[in-house]
Amino acid sequence: QSVLTQPPSLSAAPGQMVTISCSGSSSNIGSSYVSWYQHVPRTAPRLLIYENNRRPSGIPDRFSGSKSATSATLAITGLQTGDEADYYCGTWDSSLSSVVFGGGTKVTVL
Amino acid sequence: EGQLVESGGGLVKPGGSLRLSCVASGFAFNNAWMSWVRQAPGKGMEWVGRIRSKPDGGATDYAPPVKGRVTVSRDDSKNILYLQMNGLKTEDTAVYYCTRYSSTWYGSDSFDMWGQGTMVTVSS
Repeated sequence: QSVLTQPPSLSAAPGQMVTISCSGSSSNIGSSYVSWYQHVPRTAPRLLIYENNRRPSGIPDRFSGSKSATSATLAITGLQTGDEADYYCGTWDSSLSSVVFGGGTKVTVL
Repeated sequence: EGQLVESGGGLVKPGGSLRLSCVASGFAFNNAWMSWVRQAPGKGMEWVGRIRSKPDGGATDYAPPVKGRVTVSRDDSKNILYLQMNGLKTEDTAVYYCTRYSSTWYGSDSFDMWGQGTMVTVSS
C-alpha cells in the first residue's frame, strides 16, 4: 500500500489530454514539493516535473504539474503513442523521514 | 549529459548479502547527493536510501523497511556509488536503480538522473 494514492490506470486517444492525480496528506504533499516521473518498462525512468510544476530542460511543455493542499496533478496534453508509460508522483514525508512514491499510473494511448 | 550504470545484481539466498555498484560519469559526482530506488516485480517505486555529498557532510538516510540492513556509500575518487545489502529477504527482490538526488535548501527533493537498473532476486 503506497503512501501516495494514484489511479492504477488511465487511457485516452491520441491528441487528447489525460490528468493523473496524486493524493497524500499534510505530512507529505501538504508540506513538501512534488515531483513526477515517467517510466517506460525496461528503460531508465526520467524526471518530468519537480518542485510541483517545473520542467527539466528537454521535457516538452505538453507535460505540466500542479499542487493544491494535499493533492497534486500531472497533466499530459496532445497525447502521443510515445507517452504510453507508468507515471509516478513522489515527495518527502516528514512523519516517515522518507521519500514516498505513489503506486503508479499506467497510461494507455488508445 | 551524465550517465549512471549499475552492476552487481543477481540471485542470492535469503539471509545472504550483495553489494551493488553504480558508476557515474558526465557530471560532478563528488558534489552530488546520490540515492537508490527499487521496484519490486509488478509494484511501484520504493526509495531505499541516500547519501549526501562530502561537502554537505556525507551523511546517509534510509527508508524504514531497509534501515539496519543496507548501507549506502561512495568512492568519489572512482565516481562510484555502492549499496551494501545484508540479511536479504525475499521481499527485497527488485530492480535497483541508482539515481542522482537533487535536494535544495528550501526543501525540494527529486531524482533527476536514473540508471537502467540491476535486478536482485532473493530466493532459495
